[in-house]
Amino acid sequence: EIVVTQSPATLSVSPGESATLSCRASQSLIRNLAWYQQKPGQAPRLLIYGASTRATGIPARFSGSGSGTDFTLTISSLQSEDFAVYYCHQYNDWPLTFGGGTKVEIK
Amino acid sequence: QVQLQESGPGLVKPSETLSLTCTVSGGSINNYYWNWIRQPPGKGLEWIGYIFYSGSTNYNPSLKSRVAILVDTSKNQFSLKLSSVTAADTAVYYCARARSAMVDFDSWGQGTLVTVSS
Repeated sequence: EIVVTQSPATLSVSPGESATLSCRASQSLIRNLAWYQQKPGQAPRLLIYGASTRATGIPARFSGSGSGTDFTLTISSLQSEDFAVYYCHQYNDWPLTFGGGTKVEIK
Repeated sequence: QVQLQESGPGLVKPSETLSLTCTVSGGSINNYYWNWIRQPPGKGLEWIGYIFYSGSTNYNPSLKSRVAILVDTSKNQFSLKLSSVTAADTAVYYCARARSAMVDFDSWGQGTLVTVSS
């Protein structure tokens, strides 16, 4: 099973600043990685797939990068609605697995 | 735009079978992969398995011996059955759509909390 590790567990950021979230896999994912945003009491929402492609309707301030085992989600100029938990998800091998999440909180 | 809605009992007794249904509206169940994913309270996400509209399935090995996912294309529904449940199966259960077997989940249901308790 591919283990996906996210860091940091919690990120404190002021509104308007940027946030950089990391996702590292135990083996190469090529670019088969997605990012989701989850707010309290809601289902996850797809942000990024294929490591760097924004899903439909996702603002340009969300960007993904990386390949192989190291991936990054960058949120530039954080808005109030961006404070949430973010998960990465690998779909390069079975079983599909998720990282443990990074909580982005208001500083 | 496709919408997914989970339904089923919110409370299941230990050792019994958890049964949930996901109803797909606003689109056809055909030509997509339909997944179940769960999230224990305060924890991360775990993929349970998928079913293709044709009926082929793939399950997480950690749950494979207890899981069955079925599809009813005439009702645009698919279902999850998880047997011999314990408190560790208490979670919010989500249904989700994927365009292919190994891709992202582009649409999710709102989730339903299932508690295992006597």
